[in-house]
This record gives sequence, C-alpha cells and structure tokens, in this order.
Amino acid sequence: ETGVTQTPRHLVMGMTNKKSLKCEQHLGHNAMYWYKQSAKKPLELMFVYNFKEQTENNSVPSRFSPECPNSSHLFLHLHTLQPEDSALYLCASSQDEGLLTDTQYFGPGTRLTVL
Amino acid sequence: TQLLEQSPQFLSIQEGENLTVYCNSSSVFSSLQWYRQEPGEGPVLLVTVVTGGEVKKLKRLTFQFGDARKDSSLHITAAQPGDTGLYLCAGSGGSNYKLTFGKGTLLTVNP
Repeated sequence: ETGVTQTPRHLVMGMTNKKSLKCEQHLGHNAMYWYKQSAKKPLELMFVYNFKEQTENNSVPSRFSPECPNSSHLFLHLHTLQPEDSALYLCASSQDEGLLTDTQYFGPGTRLTVL
Repeated sequence: TQLLEQSPQFLSIQEGENLTVYCNSSSVFSSLQWYRQEPGEGPVLLVTVVTGGEVKKLKRLTFQFGDARKDSSLHITAAQPGDTGLYLCAGSGGSNYKLTFGKGTLLTVNP
C-alpha cells in the first residue's frame, strides 16, 4: 500500500465511449502525475500537476483530458480512444515537483483495453 | 532526448544464484533511481543514487552509479523468488528533473 489509490483497476471501453480514471493520494503531496505504460516501451510521462496547476503536457493527444480539482485528486477523462491507447495507466504523487531526490509514489494502475 | 537502455530485457534464474542488471545511457543524469514493479502493481522505489561512483546496499541488493553518472548497475546476491518482478531504472537530469525511464528488466527467480 503506497498511499496512492486508483479506480477502476480494469476498464474495457469501446472507441466511442467516454470514461474517467480516478487517482487519490493520502500522502499530503503537492505534485501528481499520469504515466502510460505500454508493453515493450518505457513509462511515458503524460501530465504533471503541481499545487493543482498543470505544469507538463507531454504532447498528449486531446482525447486524453486531465483534471486536478485539488492536490489529493487527479482524473484522466477519456473519449474517442484508439486501440493503441490500450495500456496500464499509472498515477503517481510526490512531495513537490522538481526536487532532485524526490520520491514518486505510484498507484497500482488502471489496465485499460480499448476495443 | 535522454534515453536509458536496460539489459538484459529478460532474465530467468534459479533461487540462490547471483545476478547483475544494467542501465546505460549516453547522457549524464543528476540522479538515478531503481524501482521494482510486481505484477498488478505500480513501481516501488528501491533506491536513489546521486553521486558518481556511489554504491548503496539494501540487504541483498547492491546499487552502483557510474563515475560519469551515465550508467548504473543492480546486483542481487542469492536471489529469492520474492525478488521476481520488473526492475526499472529512471534518470533525472536537466533543468526540470523529470524522470526518464528505461524499458526494464523482467526478472524471474524460480524456486
């Protein structure tokens, strides 16, 4: 248990569906992250939020829309996804963004399958 | 773009054996982290190294950061089935300290 929870753990959706992934951290951290983990590829940073403000959008397609209502919650809204978007989506948090030795704590991930 | 190459990609060994996995780059990193990810879970941080030539030990795991801060190794002594998992290295460098991850080494320790 890392203090970062993600729901749902598994999600199957069609290309025309709209769904949302949820992440919650109970660590009092100020920075939250979305990563994509695909088979045979390194973890890809998607978005970073620090004190609820988006500080990084790593050229992510607009069919992925993040939302950070407060420092404890992070959402990833999904719409009109493609089959190649199937992956494990990981949420992480850290005390602050940009500290040299800051530790990122990861949630268990949401396994997304797009049909 | 900073890239981290991890080798080997897959490793299957018997309980009790020793092993070393590697993380290499042509770029210099300010710090390097090793994570272990078990099936169905997110990565968990094992160690952070920041000084060239630094060696850190965590029970049966020994981590080394290269003198030039471009590479790192993880050595496991007397591997156990509980060591099974995906070992990821991640480097931080440049002005914004974002983490760059390698693809990982998938380790299987058979009883």
